[in-house]
Amino acid sequence: RKEVEQDPGPFNVPEGATVAFNCTYSNSASQSFFWYRQDCRKEPKLLMSVYSSGNEDGRFTAQLNRASQYISLLIRDSKLSDSATYLCAVNSNSGYALNFGKGTSLLVTP
Amino acid sequence: EAGVAQSPRYKIIEKRQSVAFWCNPISGHATLYWYQQILGQGPKLLIQFQNNGVVDDSQLPKDRFSAERLKGVDSTLKIQPAKLEDSAVYLCASSGTSGKGEQFFGPGTRLTVL
Repeated sequence: RKEVEQDPGPFNVPEGATVAFNCTYSNSASQSFFWYRQDCRKEPKLLMSVYSSGNEDGRFTAQLNRASQYISLLIRDSKLSDSATYLCAVNSNSGYALNFGKGTSLLVTP
Repeated sequence: EAGVAQSPRYKIIEKRQSVAFWCNPISGHATLYWYQQILGQGPKLLIQFQNNGVVDDSQLPKDRFSAERLKGVDSTLKIQPAKLEDSAVYLCASSGTSGKGEQFFGPGTRLTVL
């Protein structure tokens, strides 16, 4: 089983739609969880950290489910500019180094 | 605040040649990471430094890859000799001591091995 798994998509959604991505992880001892956004041919940019109680940043909501070992990202009122690949990252056994999923591709259409 | 700097941005070499990448982390960040990202994949950790010491290099192909961070600030990653399968983007990231260890990435070096 891979350390971090994501549905690669692509997710094609119309502007204004709500879309959710899930990411599962295998290491039950993991403590740090993140969502990164990566535009084509660019570096990953930190979108948000994921906290145990869940957290929200504008249109973005992240949730952690430790029992089932997954994290989720919900995007409300999708914008064209949200089109990107969303990478899930979970800390590895060695501490702060991250294991990344392959990413989920999102395309928001007019 | 300046971000993570990397150079060169692009490099094309032939197999069996050597290549080196440079990274300067965000000022004050003690931890530096090198990741390899192959097209269609997520970044994969190659090596992690804490100041000038290696924390994790378990996924670094040590027969051809080497990395150093001599003064605990900038770092170089070298490949010698390169293979076709080394074609990838090499990303450097750094993190500080606050928060949850959020990592910030540089623009990467896109390597093509012919």
